Amino acid sequence: EAGVAQSPRYKIIEKRQSVAFWCNPISGHATLYWYQQILGQGPKLLIQFQNNGVVDDSQLPKDRFSAERLKGVDSTLKIQPAKLEDSAVYLCASSSGSQASTDTQYFGPGTRLTVL
Amino acid sequence: GDSVTQMEGPVTLSEEAFLTINCTYTATGYPSLFWYVQYPGEGLQLLLKATKADDKGSNKGFEATYRKETTSFHLEKGSVQVSDSAVYFCALGLNNRKLIWGLGTSLAVNP
Repeated sequence: EAGVAQSPRYKIIEKRQSVAFWCNPISGHATLYWYQQILGQGPKLLIQFQNNGVVDDSQLPKDRFSAERLKGVDSTLKIQPAKLEDSAVYLCASSSGSQASTDTQYFGPGTRLTVL
Repeated sequence: GDSVTQMEGPVTLSEEAFLTINCTYTATGYPSLFWYVQYPGEGLQLLLKATKADDKGSNKGFEATYRKETTSFHLEKGSVQVSDSAVYFCALGLNNRKLIWGLGTSLAVNP
């Protein structure tokens, strides 16, 4: 079974530029998550999708971050414009959505963003 | 509210030493408990999980038992290897499919 795919793996941009990340979840997984992980910290949930609807985006900085999940499969996360403090690893995860608390999240390799 | 408290690192051990990383939680309802591992430069991988009280999760020689009476899910391994060097995260799974994460414990194993 293929895992969660993410691209690009690395991205370097200058502040005020735009950037987009792509995620392809495990086939059939209904729930998709985007996390931000700053070096030395645990993951911080940015947005959670159930199929193509948003379940939780309370920690997404909506003035600069946006995310969509068209057709309930692939997802993109965009930052526009980027700030220095956005330098982090952006992780995508998916889960089957079949059970609630026991639902296991499977993570992609992440995209390491550096904002100069 | 729901929370996870994880033993602070870094932890440094010699190869073949015994490992314990403590994790305690506060939660309402019936959460699941997870240990994830992050090897250098890689994404998070599920190491093991337990979905109800007294369940034991195990994988790659690691074990953790869901203890409701002490609200704990400590990670143990009898003999660590250099290849176990990584950051370990304890996480609480809630009914809304969210995970509450600990801060992570960095483990370095020396040959």
